[in-house]
Amino acid sequence: ETGVTQTPRHLVMGMTNKKSLKCEQHLGHNAMYWYKQSAKKPLELMFVYSLEERVENNSVPSRFSPECPNSSHLFLHLHTLQPEDSALYLCASSQGETSGGAQYFGPGTRLTVL
Amino acid sequence: GNSVTQMEGPVTLSEEAFLTINCTYTATGYPSLFWYVQYPGEGLQLLLKATKADDKGSNKGFEATYRKETTSFHLEKGSVQVSDSAVYFCALSENNAGNMLTFGGGTRLMVKP
Repeated sequence: ETGVTQTPRHLVMGMTNKKSLKCEQHLGHNAMYWYKQSAKKPLELMFVYSLEERVENNSVPSRFSPECPNSSHLFLHLHTLQPEDSALYLCASSQGETSGGAQYFGPGTRLTVL
Repeated sequence: GNSVTQMEGPVTLSEEAFLTINCTYTATGYPSLFWYVQYPGEGLQLLLKATKADDKGSNKGFEATYRKETTSFHLEKGSVQVSDSAVYFCALSENNAGNMLTFGGGTRLMVKP
């Protein structure tokens, strides 16, 4: 299934670096999501975009900055991260009512902050 | 608010054994219910879903029935394979919540030859 792609798949960065994660969906969906998955913690919803407008921001620190330039692309800009931000970052997309609420996930970016 | 509770793992089974992973939920309305699977090193994949009471979702030999009376959506498979080893997530979505998914904590399944 290559409906949702994420790049890079792995990223190692220092606390002073600036990097961006990219997500692209090829499913014609109108909503996109960023999740954080840490070891031994529940999946955390970070941001939701619907029709390219942010509709949800679950108290995420400002060192994470999302961008949704169009309905197919979603970015997560990272700066001055902390080691505890090391996690798997998952992107997902959905088509609202017609998908019955189902979201389709990308393979994730494994982020390590040194 | 909405919540999903899954049995804690890991669940360890021998190949060809019967699998049940329990999932119960609380919701204010009439949610859709999902099972997602995450294989090692990968993202979550939609395994099956059910959108109303008494619906049965099925895929790849896995089944789950939407039980409104017991607010449950237990995942079952008659004969597991080593390749089914993964983490399984139960989730719900309510239309009045903008299709936000509420996930359970995940259950790791390990199948031994």
